[in-house]
Amino acid sequence: DTGVSQDPRHKITKRGQNVTFRCDPISEHNRLYWYRQTLGQGPEFLTYFQNEAQLEKSRLLSDRFSAERPKGSFSTLEIQRTEQGDSAMYLCASSVGGNYGYTFGSGTRLTVV
Amino acid sequence: RKEVEQDPGPFNVPEGATVAFNCTYSNSASQSFFWYRQDCRKEPKLLMSVYSSGNEDGRFTAQLNRASQYISLLIRDSKLSDSATYLCVASWGKLQFGAGTQVVVTP
Repeated sequence: DTGVSQDPRHKITKRGQNVTFRCDPISEHNRLYWYRQTLGQGPEFLTYFQNEAQLEKSRLLSDRFSAERPKGSFSTLEIQRTEQGDSAMYLCASSVGGNYGYTFGSGTRLTVV
Repeated sequence: RKEVEQDPGPFNVPEGATVAFNCTYSNSASQSFFWYRQDCRKEPKLLMSVYSSGNEDGRFTAQLNRASQYISLLIRDSKLSDSATYLCVASWGKLQFGAGTQVVVTP
């Protein structure tokens, strides 16, 4: 499968725990994006990388959130001290350049209890 | 005010009918526009890009009006499988999504 892969598909965690999600983009795509989506809303931009450089972070990304893309390939998104409001679908997408359509992964659905 | 606004619907459409809906975007510097389709609890999937001259892809027609900053999508001969949420997207360096328009095609 040469699409965007995300792991895990589902994560249930207790409030206060840390969680980490992984995204493997399409190999020839140099841009990687993280979005968050809650019920009834469209995906909201969190951050993006061009190769290994993190070029932009949304104000939605509090200091409990950190993302890395160490070798310009896969990326991780970590949430520390999770809160119930963090419950959402976390979507990763990749693209060639910034103004082309993105390919999304299947997402990681996080539930904080 | 949201950067991309859509009528949430639902638009209830009899099978075989035509349905059309719009979205508006606030950033006049937007460079690219798209429609994505999202099925319940699935990831968004690119339906089509939107060009100023208008473009068709089978039963789907998209239009862009830069002067009025709106984008439209028209679906002809609706199929039951067209039932989904349609996300309007404007891009200025990164994709900005609307909240989606729900379409329900009924037999």
